[in-house]
Amino acid sequence: GQNIDQPTEMTATEGAIVQINCTYQTSGFNGLFWYQQHAGEAPTFLSYNVLDGLEEKGRFSSFLSRSKGYSYLLLKELQMKDSASYLCAVSSGGSYIPTFGRGTSLIVHP
Amino acid sequence: GAGVSQTPSNKVTEKGKYVELRCDPISGHTALYWYRQSLGQGPEFLIYFQGTGAADDSGLPNDRFFAVRPEGSVSTLKIQRTERGDSAVYLCASSFTSGSVETQYFGPGTRLLVL
Repeated sequence: GQNIDQPTEMTATEGAIVQINCTYQTSGFNGLFWYQQHAGEAPTFLSYNVLDGLEEKGRFSSFLSRSKGYSYLLLKELQMKDSASYLCAVSSGGSYIPTFGRGTSLIVHP
Repeated sequence: GAGVSQTPSNKVTEKGKYVELRCDPISGHTALYWYRQSLGQGPEFLIYFQGTGAADDSGLPNDRFFAVRPEGSVSTLKIQRTERGDSAVYLCASSFTSGSVETQYFGPGTRLLVL
């Protein structure tokens, strides 16, 4: 099985930078996804990491260390609309089906 | 359509009743997934189809749950003898293919409430 751990809730100020961590334990790692989910809406794809290192996409960046079983999502220049749940999901094994963590609820305040 | 659609958006039923939830994936996507999400939790895998066949149904909680995808496009998740614990948001996702790491595109979900 897989064990995915991320903080339950974080708060940050508009315009600031926030880092959301995700640790995982799995065998046969294929890749790691980050999804954003606003309340009452479907998860939407943010990023995908297969190799170690940092992937940057606009205000959002995602980092992966496979040897440490660790990833983080970095959000810069926070906006109020970034208030949402951020889901870490790990794909492993032959099925490639992602297993999701419980999500981190990010609250951005003025 | 441009995205994954699911109907109904909300379903209220009584304990013991039968419900069907429908998912229409993105055109051309051969892989289709069903997840269940409870409040404050991440999506929990139920079943996935590659084409018409259920390639992995290991996430179905018991034999009251069943899903079909007869023509390789639209899928229906069927729940018999519903229980209050079945109340959750049922999410459908599709991807271009499976057997490799593919981005999943999610529908808006069906919110099921069993009274």
